[in-house]
Amino acid sequence: EIVLTQSPTTMAASPGEKVTITCRASSSVSYMHWFQQKSGTSPKPWIYDTSKLASGVPDRFSGSGSGTSYSLTISSMEAEDAATYYCLQRSSYPFTFGSGTKLEIK
Amino acid sequence: QVQLKESGPGLVQPSQTLSLTCTVSGFSLMDYSVHWVRQPPGKGLEWMGRMKYDGDTYYNSALKSRLSISRDTSKSQVFLKMNSLQTEDTAIYYCTRGYGYTPFDYWGQGVMVTVSS
Repeated sequence: EIVLTQSPTTMAASPGEKVTITCRASSSVSYMHWFQQKSGTSPKPWIYDTSKLASGVPDRFSGSGSGTSYSLTISSMEAEDAATYYCLQRSSYPFTFGSGTKLEIK
Repeated sequence: QVQLKESGPGLVQPSQTLSLTCTVSGFSLMDYSVHWVRQPPGKGLEWMGRMKYDGDTYYNSALKSRLSISRDTSKSQVFLKMNSLQTEDTAIYYCTRGYGYTPFDYWGQGVMVTVSS
């Protein structure tokens, strides 16, 4: 099983601040996918195939990485970005999620 | 439009069997896979298993001995059955479409299942 380790676990950012969330895989994966989840709602696809933005995702978000190290970056934090973000690998079974990064607005 | 909706009992007694249904619309189960994902209260997401469009199944090895996924394509329904439930199985259970526009592009609203006597 590929274990995904996200960091940080929680963080707070001020409006306009740059934010980076990392996801490290215990073995190499082909792509990383990211989901956004707000309290009481289902996860939403956010970034897929490492760097492609899902429909409706603002272009202040970006994704990058390869092999075992991936990241999600917000160029300029906005209040609506406060949420929990999860990475997902589907390169090998069982599919696995990271433990999540809770992002709050300062 | 694509929709998925989970249904099932909100409360299950310990050691009993959980049965959930995912009813889909807007796409065919013979064209897309459906996966089950669960989330314990206040915790992260766990992939449980999937029903592939060709009827093949795959399970998380951590749950494999207790889990079964099946389907009825005529009713556009995917079923999850998990036996020997314990309190740690208390979670929101989601079904999600495997890969459309993106991986897991559509999700149901989830069903909260509490394991308690």
